[in-house]
Amino acid sequence: KAGVTQTPRYLIKTRGQQVTLSCSPISGHRSVSWYQQTPGQGLQFLFEYFSETQRNKGNFPGRFSGRQFSNSRSEMNVSTLELGDSALYLCASSPGTSPSTDTQYFGPGTRLTVL
Amino acid sequence: AQSVAQPEDQVNVAEGNPLTVKCTYSVSGNPYLFWYVQYPNRGLQFLLKYITGDNLVKGSYGFEAEFNKSQTSFHLKKPSALVSDSALYFCAVRDDTGGFKTIFGAGTRLFVKA
Repeated sequence: KAGVTQTPRYLIKTRGQQVTLSCSPISGHRSVSWYQQTPGQGLQFLFEYFSETQRNKGNFPGRFSGRQFSNSRSEMNVSTLELGDSALYLCASSPGTSPSTDTQYFGPGTRLTVL
Repeated sequence: AQSVAQPEDQVNVAEGNPLTVKCTYSVSGNPYLFWYVQYPNRGLQFLLKYITGDNLVKGSYGFEAEFNKSQTSFHLKKPSALVSDSALYFCAVRDDTGGFKTIFGAGTRLFVKA
C-alpha cells in the first residue's frame, strides 16, 4: 500500500497570505490527524478527523482550519499567515476509529516557511 | 491533564553498546504509550506501543520498551545500537482531556558513534 502523502512538500509564503496543505491517507484509513512541529514547541496536535467530522481540535487560533472529504483526504488551511506559523506540518492516518490508541502512520510533512 | 516527559535532549552511545532513551508519563487512568522515531526530513515512524498486557513491549528494528507503573516510566531500549539508529525519538501518550488526542514528548536525539 502506498503511504501517507502530503502536498506540497515545501512552501514559501509571505505574512498575511493564506495556505492550503493536502494529505492523502493510506487507502482504507478513515482517521486523519494533523500536527505542527517546530524546534521550540515540538509536536503539537492541530486537529483530528474521522468520516468527514472534526472530532478534536488543539489549542490553535481560528486561523487554522481543516476539513476531510468523503474519500478521507484531508486539507488544512492557515489564513493570515504569521512568521510563527513557519513549521513542519505533519499528517497522520490511522486504520481505526481512535488515533490516540491506534498506530498512526505519518506522511513526510509539508515544510512551510513564512517570510 | 496527561503529560509525557523526555528528560534527556540528547543521548550518545557507541555502536554495539546498549541504549536507553527515557520517558516518564503522568496520566489519570490507564496509560496508552507510544514510541516513534523521526529520521531527517522524514515524518515519524511507529516503533511500538503499550496498551495493556506484558510490561515488556517489543517493537520494530530490535527496539523494546519497559512499562513501569510504579515509576510511571516507559523507557525505550535496544541491546546493541547501530549507527543507523541515530535519529530523533519521541515518546507519546494518549490524552483524554477535552477529547482524545496524542501528546508527544519534546524528543530525544540519539547519536550512535561508530
